[in-house]
Amino acid sequence: QSALTQPPSASGSPGQSVTISCTGTSSDVGGYNYVSWYQQHPGKAPKLMIYEVSKRPSGVPDRFSGSKSGNTASLTVSGLQAEDEADYYCSSYAGSNNLYVFGTGTKVTVL
Amino acid sequence: QVQLVQSGAEVKKPGASVKVSCKASGYTFTSYGISWVRQAPGQGLEWMGWISAYNGNTNYAQKLQGRVTMTTDTSTSTAYMELRSLRSDDTAVYYCAREITGTNDYWGQGTLVTVSS
Repeated sequence: QSALTQPPSASGSPGQSVTISCTGTSSDVGGYNYVSWYQQHPGKAPKLMIYEVSKRPSGVPDRFSGSKSGNTASLTVSGLQAEDEADYYCSSYAGSNNLYVFGTGTKVTVL
Repeated sequence: QVQLVQSGAEVKKPGASVKVSCKASGYTFTSYGISWVRQAPGQGLEWMGWISAYNGNTNYAQKLQGRVTMTTDTSTSTAYMELRSLRSDDTAVYYCAREITGTNDYWGQGTLVTVSS
């Protein structure tokens, strides 16, 4: 099972928006509405930001939104804030052989 | 509040085994699964496998099959991950996470396993 493909980096100024893509296949991203996004600050555990493509857990700001089209999912962070600077990973359910696959990760920089 | 507390850092020699624990609290342990995910230094997240805390069913990443065993102790709400025949490229931070269909919502703090001669 290959990792999902994400751009290595993305950036934006405070208040701007940034969108991160996550490309898989019909066996993972395209086959299920079980795409999640995680935020990871240096030295910390990942934190769930989006699940089931576009749902936000309690406590996650509505500046974070998710979507999917075909085999590609996307995370958009609107109104960028300094604390949004982190690594972001997508993940997808991938069926009964290997349940989950993660993306390669994207480092978001707030300029 | 949901918490997953993992055991402390380990240093192992190549060829040895390591067993990491993950104690859950704040929810009904048997109503969820536990995923194990690792992260090598400076690298991305790698899914290792999953265990149902309800019935002990497991699903392991193909590349680790034969070297990894995941178990649970429902009496103490604790999950365990054992990795055998350790190699230097097994050096990583190992995370447990609560799993519910399609996502892993709460994560432990991570356990650093260093494999070095």
